[in-house]
Amino acid sequence: DTVLTQSPALAVSPGERVSISCRASEGVNSYMHWYQQKPGQQPKLLIYKASNLASGVPARFSGSGSGTDFTLTIDPVEADDTATYFCQQSWNELTFGSGTKLEIK
Amino acid sequence: EVKLLESGGGLVQPGGSLRLSCAASGFTFTDFYMSWIRQPPGKAPEWLGVIRNKANGYTTEYNPSVKGRFTISRDNTQNILYLQMNTLRAEDTAIYYCARTYYRYWYFDFWGPGTMVTVSS
Repeated sequence: DTVLTQSPALAVSPGERVSISCRASEGVNSYMHWYQQKPGQQPKLLIYKASNLASGVPARFSGSGSGTDFTLTIDPVEADDTATYFCQQSWNELTFGSGTKLEIK
Repeated sequence: EVKLLESGGGLVQPGGSLRLSCAASGFTFTDFYMSWIRQPPGKAPEWLGVIRNKANGYTTEYNPSVKGRFTISRDNTQNILYLQMNTLRAEDTAIYYCARTYYRYWYFDFWGPGTMVTVSS
């Protein structure tokens, strides 16, 4: 299985820019997707195929990368962005990263 | 508006069975692949399997971790997705989500709120 590695946690202040990384154990082309999960809620799709914004998602969110290294960027960060962010690849089976918990100071 | 609503979760003893349902509305159910995904508390989601759309014969695929124990089916007249779970183990304890699946790139564009399954004696 393709393992996706994410840093466990980040803390930023409102108005700042934050980059959340996801590294794949093998190349996944551009078949990387990002989800936001707020406490007690289901995941919500933010970005699909590395850099495409899902419907209804604010333009503050963007994605980049290909191959093994991917980044979700939020600029500027707002207090409501407090959540855990998961990456998911669909090039080799379907696997999720362990998530990055974003705290807004 | 796309809506997915899971039901059928609860407490079950090890070795037992459970069937989950997911009621779908707001889209043409037969046009879409549908997946089940689970998430143990505090952990990452795990994709369990998919049932394809009408154009692809409603065929299924499973994660090897549950293949042979879990079965996905769908009632296309009532727009309901099912997950039959047999021989349940403690490690199957999780929130179970149904998710609409975009077949071309295999991402999950809508998720239900989930239903909790606890396997314990």
